[in-house]
Amino acid sequence: EAGVAQSPRYKIIEKRQSVAFWCNPISGHATLYWYQQILGQGPKLLIQFQNNGVVDDSQLPKDRFSAERLKGVDSTLKIQPAKLEDSAVYLCASSLRAGSAGELFFGEGSRLTVL
Amino acid sequence: QKEVEQDPGPLSVPEGAIVSLNCTYSNSAFQYFMWYRQYSRKGPELLMYTYSSGNKEDGRFTAQVDKSSKYISLFIRDSQPSDSATYLCAMSGSGAGSYQLTFGKGTKLSVIP
Repeated sequence: EAGVAQSPRYKIIEKRQSVAFWCNPISGHATLYWYQQILGQGPKLLIQFQNNGVVDDSQLPKDRFSAERLKGVDSTLKIQPAKLEDSAVYLCASSLRAGSAGELFFGEGSRLTVL
Repeated sequence: QKEVEQDPGPLSVPEGAIVSLNCTYSNSAFQYFMWYRQYSRKGPELLMYTYSSGNKEDGRFTAQVDKSSKYISLFIRDSQPSDSATYLCAMSGSGAGSYQLTFGKGTKLSVIP
């Protein structure tokens, strides 16, 4: 079974530039999550989708971050304009359903460096 | 006070040692308790999953939950160099709207051959 795919793996940009990350979840997984993991910290949830609807985006900085999940499969996370403090690993995860408490499958992450 | 506290280490042990990793938490609504293992430059992977209080064993790994003390532990017996990773505790509530995972900072473990 293929895992969660993410791209790009690494991205370096200047502050105020924009960046987009892509995620393809495990086939059949209805719930998709984007997490931000700053160096030395645990992952922090940015947004959760159930199929193509948003379940929780309470911790998403909506003035600069946006995310979408078209057709309930792939998802993109965009940052515009980027700030220095956005340097982090952006992890995508999926689960069979929202009630799969804890049973998340993570991708390898997209590492962002903002200069 | 953070919802989940975890000593970041680093923790260095000799091969074959018993490793004890711990987290404390403040939210009494947490019902599900997980341990994730994260290798360098990889995403976290679920290692152990327990519901409410008690022990769960899986091979060399044992997870313990003490809800009365708001304290969870992961024990690794006969530790191997391949166990070298960051171990993240994570917790969530039960019921609609409360499944969001809250992670600890992670403890970096090195097992020395």
